[in-house]
Amino acid sequence: KAGVTQTPRYLIKTRGQQVTLSCSPISGHRSVSWYQQTPGQGLQFLFEYFSETQRNKGNFPGRFSGRQFSNSRSEMNVSTLELGDSALYLCASSPRAGGFNSYNEQFFGPGTRLTVL
Amino acid sequence: GQQLNQSPQSMFIQEGEDVSMNCTSSSIFNTWLWYKQDPGEGPVLLIALYKAGELTSNGRLTAQFGITRKDSFLNISASIPSDVGIYFCAGQFRAGNNRKLIWGLGTSLAVNP
Repeated sequence: KAGVTQTPRYLIKTRGQQVTLSCSPISGHRSVSWYQQTPGQGLQFLFEYFSETQRNKGNFPGRFSGRQFSNSRSEMNVSTLELGDSALYLCASSPRAGGFNSYNEQFFGPGTRLTVL
Repeated sequence: GQQLNQSPQSMFIQEGEDVSMNCTSSSIFNTWLWYKQDPGEGPVLLIALYKAGELTSNGRLTAQFGITRKDSFLNISASIPSDVGIYFCAGQFRAGNNRKLIWGLGTSLAVNP
């Protein structure tokens, strides 16, 4: 079974631009979560989608948005890029959305390395 | 907000040595997770813990869910070169109608063959 794929793997943008990152989950997985990873802040949760609906959201500004398609593929968009948005953006898929007292293992993709100049 | 304090930040050990790392918080979690991230890859789940006091092993790895639900540790016995990587703890808790997953900043492990 193919793993989580993310495209592109590397991206260089300039301040003020916008960017769209793509994630294809493992076949059959319906939950997709996005994370921002930086050395100083670690992994920060952005949002989670399940069956095309946003189920959970982290504390990021509205410049960060996402969506999920009917085939479970997901995209995230960052508008008006800032230097501080430079990070590794990780996508993780899971068969189902997790419950309050359970954890459904998340399978991570290799990430998209975004550099904002 | 909730924070996880993961220590040590980095370790440099000799092959064959045992390794211990831990995560602590002032908050209570209902699930503790340990992940490993290799360079250029996303994190991979090593161990998941669901009950206070739970002790779980995965090969040479052993992790425990602290009895207070505010901490967890991971031990690696007889380290080998492929253990090199960054190890993350993560804690999950309920926040209103949502569940939140908080991550530690990682322990970078280097193994000298």
